Amino acid sequence: NAGVTQTPKFQVLKTGQSMTLQCAQDMNHEYMSWYRQDPGMGLRLIHYSVGAGITDQGEVPNGYNVSRSTTEDFPLRLLSAAPSQTSVYFCASRPSGGPGDTGELFFGEGSRLTVL
Amino acid sequence: TQLLEQSPQFLSIQEGENLTVYCNSSSVFSSLQWYRQEPGEGPVLLVTVVTGGEVKKLKRLTFQFGDARKDSSLHITAAQPGDTGLYLCAARRVLHGSSNTGKLIFGQGTTLQVKP
Repeated sequence: NAGVTQTPKFQVLKTGQSMTLQCAQDMNHEYMSWYRQDPGMGLRLIHYSVGAGITDQGEVPNGYNVSRSTTEDFPLRLLSAAPSQTSVYFCASRPSGGPGDTGELFFGEGSRLTVL
Repeated sequence: TQLLEQSPQFLSIQEGENLTVYCNSSSVFSSLQWYRQEPGEGPVLLVTVVTGGEVKKLKRLTFQFGDARKDSSLHITAAQPGDTGLYLCAARRVLHGSSNTGKLIFGQGTTLQVKP
């Protein structure tokens, strides 16, 4: 089972470059989200989506854009990378509401981004 | 300011020792989860607690949700090297007058090292 798939796993960017982190899930989950993980700060929510066509901001949205055109995909875009965006990024999904929703978040393996 | 405070942040113990990790807040939560993360991977759910005072056991791991649903603890008995990893607590706040969008707030994590 694929679950949540993130690409790329590693990326090095120069300041000012743009890129997109891809996230796809095959579990038909309505809810998808992006977190960044930095040492000593746990996981911080960047953006999330409760369904196709619906996105909203999390705790640290500045510098990031998202879109949700399909249930399966939730890409994260960095329009002009900054060194402060050096981090490990995790995509996570879960069902949204209903008896099948235990609240468990299913995470991808992460994408390690370095901005020089 | 971290909404969820975990302590300790780092713990290095010998195999066979017992330990407790704490997750504290001033906010009331509708549910609280504990995740475990190994290097290079995403977090994986260990347990969800929902009811104040609830205790759940998972082999050598015991999880407790505070009576007021503001705090939780994770106790590991006779730790093994395989318990090594990052332990994260995560919670959803009780939202009054609005829908629960499912946003999880994470603590900063506790890094556990169990030496053989």
